[in-house]
Amino acid sequence: EAQVTQNPRYLITVTGKKLTVTCSQNMNHEYMSWYRQDPGLGLRQIYYSMNVEVTDKGDVPEGYKVSRKEKRNFPLILESPSPNQTSLYFCASRFLNGQEAFFGQGTRLTVV
Amino acid sequence: GNSVTQMEGPVTLSEEAFLTINCTYTATGYPSLFWYVQYPGEGLQLLLKATKADDKGSNKGFEATYRKETTSFHLEKGSVQVSDSAVYFCALTKGRYRDDKIIFGKGTRLHILP
Repeated sequence: EAQVTQNPRYLITVTGKKLTVTCSQNMNHEYMSWYRQDPGLGLRQIYYSMNVEVTDKGDVPEGYKVSRKEKRNFPLILESPSPNQTSLYFCASRFLNGQEAFFGQGTRLTVV
Repeated sequence: GNSVTQMEGPVTLSEEAFLTINCTYTATGYPSLFWYVQYPGEGLQLLLKATKADDKGSNKGFEATYRKETTSFHLEKGSVQVSDSAVYFCALTKGRYRDDKIIFGKGTRLHILP
């Protein structure tokens, strides 16, 4: 089954404790991206990647890192999480110039 | 720059009512237009799309027509069901560039009452 898989689904952590949210897709998509979803603000892109070893900033990259060592995986790293990073995070993937994006089920992160 | 504006929610309707969720866009050139739906506890999934002017996208009883003259892509359904309760996002891409990103509206939450 074609899918984007994120883990974990739910995470509660403390300020400053490094964490990684994993994302994996099995559709051989070149383009992968991370979004955060906040009430009243909709979806905002954090980082994106057009291929292995190619990443770039989205609209709200501060406080986040990503890597793309393999085509299928695109982890999101929070080196020192802060409460303002409490949000619902989505990973998405698609082909370059593709019409449809496929989304993971989301990771609800709470930083206390 | 490119942008998408959709009506504020929440929208609350009774089952079998007619639904319209308005969406307008600002973009240069000829964007592709989409509606995505987010059911409770899930990620977004594509509901329908239209890639050129006057195209009509349709799926699951929902329809939207790409109107270039009014820069609109309103979502409609003739008779909604409780299972249509979700958040709906209008979106666009230019569709012509390798680094093209999806521009989303802020989403409209829809509640359908039995």
